[in-house]
Amino acid sequence: EAGVAQSPRYKIIEKRQSVAFWCNPISGHATLYWYQQILGQGPKLLIQFQNNGVVDDSQLPKDRFSAERLKGVDSTLKIQPAKLEDSAVYLCASSLGTASYEQYFGPGTRLTVT
Amino acid sequence: AQKVTQAQTEISVVEKEDVTLDCVYETRDTTYYLFWYKQPPSGELVFLIRRNSFDEQNEISGRYSWNFQKSTSSFNFTITASQVVDSAVYFCALSENTGNQFYFGTGTSLTVIP
Repeated sequence: EAGVAQSPRYKIIEKRQSVAFWCNPISGHATLYWYQQILGQGPKLLIQFQNNGVVDDSQLPKDRFSAERLKGVDSTLKIQPAKLEDSAVYLCASSLGTASYEQYFGPGTRLTVT
Repeated sequence: AQKVTQAQTEISVVEKEDVTLDCVYETRDTTYYLFWYKQPPSGELVFLIRRNSFDEQNEISGRYSWNFQKSTSSFNFTITASQVVDSAVYFCALSENTGNQFYFGTGTSLTVIP
């Protein structure tokens, strides 16, 4: 079974530029998560989708971050404009359901904002 | 306040020693789930175990064991006879049934010295 796919793996941009990340979850997984992991810290949940609806986006900085999950499968996370403090690894995860289900993570996208 | 506290930032042990990673959580929900994930140097988070709040039985899986104690809000993880391949950052996580929130601790970096 294929795992969670993410691209790109690495991205370097200048501040105020825009960037987008893509995630393809495990087939059949209804729930998709985006996390931000700053070096030396645990992952922080940014947004959670159940199929193509948003379950929780309380920690998403909505003035610059946006995410969508069209058709309830693939998802994209966008940052516009990027700030230096956005430098982090962006992790995508998927699970069969919410709360009680274990999540399966992709390899992440390492973003460096200069 | 931190929902999940992993007080040990870094631990080093010599191969074949036993090591326990501590995790303390905080929640008002009666139904919740606890998880452990491993993040090796490659970066991809790997699911290890899930427990629900109604099941306090300890679990053993090979060299890994987990001790869940609701009385102390702890969910500790022990690796017996550690190996170099166990070197990684280990995260404890909490999922609350209310609101479908998912919280990671700050992680414990384990180094097993050959």
